[in-house]
Amino acid sequence: DVKVTQSSRYLVKRTGEKVFLECVQDMDHENMFWYRQDPGLGLRLIYFSYDVKMKEKGDIPEGYSVSREKKERFSLILESASTNQTSMYLCASSRPRRTEKLFFGSGTQLSVL
Amino acid sequence: AQTVTQSQPEMSVQEAETVTLSCTYDTSESNYYLFWYKQPPSRQMILVIRQEAYKQQNATENRFSVNFQKAAKSFSLKISDSQLGDTAMYFCAFMKHVWAETSGSRLTFGEGTQLTVNP
Repeated sequence: DVKVTQSSRYLVKRTGEKVFLECVQDMDHENMFWYRQDPGLGLRLIYFSYDVKMKEKGDIPEGYSVSREKKERFSLILESASTNQTSMYLCASSRPRRTEKLFFGSGTQLSVL
Repeated sequence: AQTVTQSQPEMSVQEAETVTLSCTYDTSESNYYLFWYKQPPSRQMILVIRQEAYKQQNATENRFSVNFQKAAKSFSLKISDSQLGDTAMYFCAFMKHVWAETSGSRLTFGEGTQLTVNP
């Protein structure tokens, strides 16, 4: 069965901390995505990667960075967490040109206090 | 840039009845895909149905069907014979068609509609 795994379901961090959200997929997908989900705003794309070490900014990249050193792993980094980054974070993956078949993880609910 | 709008933040329906969720979008693209995703309380996003813009025929998946009006840029989801398990957040999404192998096309999502099916 296809699987996208996010390392934490819930996470609580302090303002100013460096936060790593990890995502691993076992489908050998080239494309990986990070979205954040907020009530009334839907899902918004933060960053995506279409190959190892390749990344592109999404619609709301400010305050975030990403790392993709291996094909199966895509990390989202909050360099200095702020309260407005409290949100649900969803990772997804797909094959090239097959983005319509996105496979999602179960999300990480991040609270920044 | 594309935008997707879901004007109904919440809806409810009685079990076994039919409900329609609305979605409108704005784009200058001619080739694109439209989707409905479902997110139950487990938070796992599930693809419900997909429509390719060049196909005039409306997509259908069992109890789920869409009404795709390309000229009006409207893409509504009809759920027939609603079941308790249909209770979820539903997202409408848009993706433009891309040809480049190295390009990862992105989905643009609407705000979501929380559907509650009542027994």
